[in-house]
Amino acid sequence: QQQVKQSPQSLIVQKGGISIINCAYENTAFDYFPWYQQFPGKGPALLIAIRPDVSEKKEGRFTISFNKSAKQFSLHIMDSQPGDSATYFCAARPSGSARQLTFGSGTQLTVLP
Amino acid sequence: GAGVSQTPSNKVTEKGKYVELRCDPISGHTALYWYRQSLGQGPEFLIYFQGTGAADDSGLPNDRFFAVRPEGSVSTLKIQRTERGDSAVYLCASSSGTGLNTEAFFGQGTRLTVV
Repeated sequence: QQQVKQSPQSLIVQKGGISIINCAYENTAFDYFPWYQQFPGKGPALLIAIRPDVSEKKEGRFTISFNKSAKQFSLHIMDSQPGDSATYFCAARPSGSARQLTFGSGTQLTVLP
Repeated sequence: GAGVSQTPSNKVTEKGKYVELRCDPISGHTALYWYRQSLGQGPEFLIYFQGTGAADDSGLPNDRFFAVRPEGSVSTLKIQRTERGDSAVYLCASSSGTGLNTEAFFGQGTRLTVV
């Protein structure tokens, strides 16, 4: 059962443009929603994370928008750069004793120079 | 070390063989996780340790997979009678706890190829 659905599968953006990746979840027990960036041959690295008590979080060029009622959250990359080209994963983690992350299927972002 | 270290980086083994994958977490991190990432997919949870004990092993696909963390630091993922379908990147992550906003740091992974 896929608990976190991510779209699009791939995304091509011009340098300077805005990249938007969307995720939807089903489990209302999730209380922590991170985004990870992964380069080829590397492990995922935390980019930015949000909890459901806020609707938006911004760190530099990266913003998470969170809609608790719709059970959706998205990553916005402003002023996208070629160095942002990577695979991005949304994830979610439940409250309670089970603390493992459930990942989306990933979005391969290509930023053209 | 400064980060999570996994060895080997790559492992090629024949079908039916036994393999061990090692994870050195960040010093002092009490929580340790193993994930498996198939090509083009997100990581999938396998097992979670809090200290020396496996707090949740619900993600292990079958009894051919086993993991240990005897001293609460280094962990080894063991796969018996490997199958071609076990080919994937095995990722290890560690965190300083399991509280709210606690970040999990990932290693670079071990790419396992079963031929």
